[in-house]
Amino acid sequence: GAGVSQTPSNKVTEKGKYVELRCDPISGHTALYWYRQSLGQGPEFLIYFQGTGAADDSGLPNDRFFAVRPEGSVSTLKIQRTERGDSAVYLCASSSTGADEQFFGPGTRLTVL
Amino acid sequence: KQEVTQIPAALSVPEGENLVLNCSFTDSAIYNLQWFRQDPGKGLTSLLLIQSSQREQTSGRLNASLDKSSGRSTLYIAASQPGDSATYLCAPYGGNQFYFGTGTSLTVIP
Repeated sequence: GAGVSQTPSNKVTEKGKYVELRCDPISGHTALYWYRQSLGQGPEFLIYFQGTGAADDSGLPNDRFFAVRPEGSVSTLKIQRTERGDSAVYLCASSSTGADEQFFGPGTRLTVL
Repeated sequence: KQEVTQIPAALSVPEGENLVLNCSFTDSAIYNLQWFRQDPGKGLTSLLLIQSSQREQTSGRLNASLDKSSGRSTLYIAASQPGDSATYLCAPYGGNQFYFGTGTSLTVIP
């Protein structure tokens, strides 16, 4: 079946702009995670959804970052007033339950100029 | 907060060698641990998931072990091939998230 997909694959924006990153999890997976990966580092947790609700958003760095999953499937990560330090690869993963095997999407490379 | 360390940071071996990648973590209260590989510019590919009640898991030429009490996991790769060249990441799961180390960058020389 189809894996996790993310769009766009690349996003270049200017400092101060608003961006939305989309994640389509594997069908039927109730758990969805967002991570951020900087060059040479491992992925860093941002937020975890169980169904429609954010079960843990402790990794969001500040209130410029927000994520939604209104129907318990597709999720959108929203970043307001982007800063150059937000440049990274944003990864999405899903699993059938919260502690089960995670499957990652290819990521969205965000560049803030 | 869970801290994950992977040693070595980089490894270069000739084709055909067996090798071991090491992972240590500071908080033993984990549900499971997953090993991933990441090719340059790509997402993560799941290799193996070991439940906290298991000691090891095997898939083809890969064998992963878990010693939860000592906070250690190893990934054993048998008969390495150039296609195994990638960064390998271990990630223990606890507290609603997987925690990642910085990985081991493996190069298998033909």
